[in-house]
Amino acid sequence: KQEVTQIPAALSVPEGENLVLNCSFTDSAIYNLQWFRQDPGKGLTSLLLIQSSQREQTSGRLNASLDKSSGRSTLYIAASQPGDSATYLCAVKDGGANSKLTFGKGITLSVRP
Amino acid sequence: NAGVMQNPRHLVRRRGQEARLRCSPMKGHSHVYWYRQLPEEGLKFMVYLQKENIIDESGMPKERFSAEFPKEGPSILRIQQVVRGDSAAYFCASSPRWHTGFNYGYTFGSGTRLTVV
Repeated sequence: KQEVTQIPAALSVPEGENLVLNCSFTDSAIYNLQWFRQDPGKGLTSLLLIQSSQREQTSGRLNASLDKSSGRSTLYIAASQPGDSATYLCAVKDGGANSKLTFGKGITLSVRP
Repeated sequence: NAGVMQNPRHLVRRRGQEARLRCSPMKGHSHVYWYRQLPEEGLKFMVYLQKENIIDESGMPKERFSAEFPKEGPSILRIQQVVRGDSAAYFCASSPRWHTGFNYGYTFGSGTRLTVV
């Protein structure tokens, strides 16, 4: 059974800092991995999706990496801003293209002005 | 091109009542997934449906919960005789039938927040 872990549960950093959010998963036979952002009381916004054959994806100040063999992914946020404050969720898809996602509990990020 | 539409956004039910949550997938998406987010918990998969078919309901509680995705209209998640423990945010996601070339991720709706009083 796939398990996804995100540690720590919460993180507070000053504005401008570069930071790394970690995600680990127990079964390396994944189809893809997706990072989401969730604002309080809101839905999920997809940030980056990494296919199982890829090592990383970039979008603006965000960079996500994937190391399947070790069961790890990182989300790198450059030059953090107060607007980046949110909960960041990591989710893996096992099996085929239409299989379910297994989520971590998320990391709640607070960027202090 | 509207995203995944869920309604209502907020739903309050008394214990023992029924809750009906609706989800309209993105245009062109024929696969619907329901997830539940309990307080202080991560999102948990409940059920995966295609039009008129339940593909995977391994995450659905055995009693009181049911889901459908009819040929016409939105997908419905139905909770009968709600209890306080059903209070949660329920999210719907959709994806297209064919994932050509690139892997498509899911698109999530804004969720329905169910409160049982």
